[in-house]
Amino acid sequence: QSALTQPASVSGSPGQSITISCTGTNNDIGSFNYVSWYQQHPGTAPKLIIFDVSNRPSGVSDRFSASKSGNTASLTISGLQSEDEADYYCNSYTTSNTLFVFGTGTKVTVL
Amino acid sequence: QVQLVESGGGVVQPGRSLRLSCAASGFTFSDYAMHWVRQAPGKGLEWLTFITYDGTNQYYADSVKGRFTISRDNSKNTLFVEMTSLTPEDTALYYCVRGMGLSWFDPWGQGTLVTVSS
Repeated sequence: QSALTQPASVSGSPGQSITISCTGTNNDIGSFNYVSWYQQHPGTAPKLIIFDVSNRPSGVSDRFSASKSGNTASLTISGLQSEDEADYYCNSYTTSNTLFVFGTGTKVTVL
Repeated sequence: QVQLVESGGGVVQPGRSLRLSCAASGFTFSDYAMHWVRQAPGKGLEWLTFITYDGTNQYYADSVKGRFTISRDNSKNTLFVEMTSLTPEDTALYYCVRGMGLSWFDPWGQGTLVTVSS
């Protein structure tokens, strides 16, 4: 099972909105609503920011939203802030041997 | 609060074994599945293994199947992974993570670093 495909980097100016894509297959994103997203600042552990495609855990800013269409999931960050500068990873359950697969990761830069 | 603290990492020679532990607190450990996820230096996240809440079922990524064994002691709120036949490609920060069904991972421990080098 190959990793889910994400753009290596995405950038935006403060206040702008950006979207990160996460492309999988019919074995994972396309067949299950078990997509989650994680934010990782340098030197720290990943943090859950979206679960089950589009749900935010308590305490996560509503500037983070997400959706899915076909085999691709997307994370949108609205009103971009300097604190959003981090790496972002998607994850999905998969019917492949691996059971769970992460995305390749996207580095978000706030210009 | 919910906390996961990994330990057991270090420098190990290729071909040797190592056992990592993860001490859980702040929640009913025996109610949750648990995972190990690793991150090689400067690289992305890789899911490794998962054990059900009661320890009866374990699942592994192909990259570690047959070499890693996940286990848990619910009486001591502790998760383990026994890693054998280690290679330099196993060098990574190993995270212990609480799981929710087939869905999400939260929270994550701070990780324990394993370096495989001669």
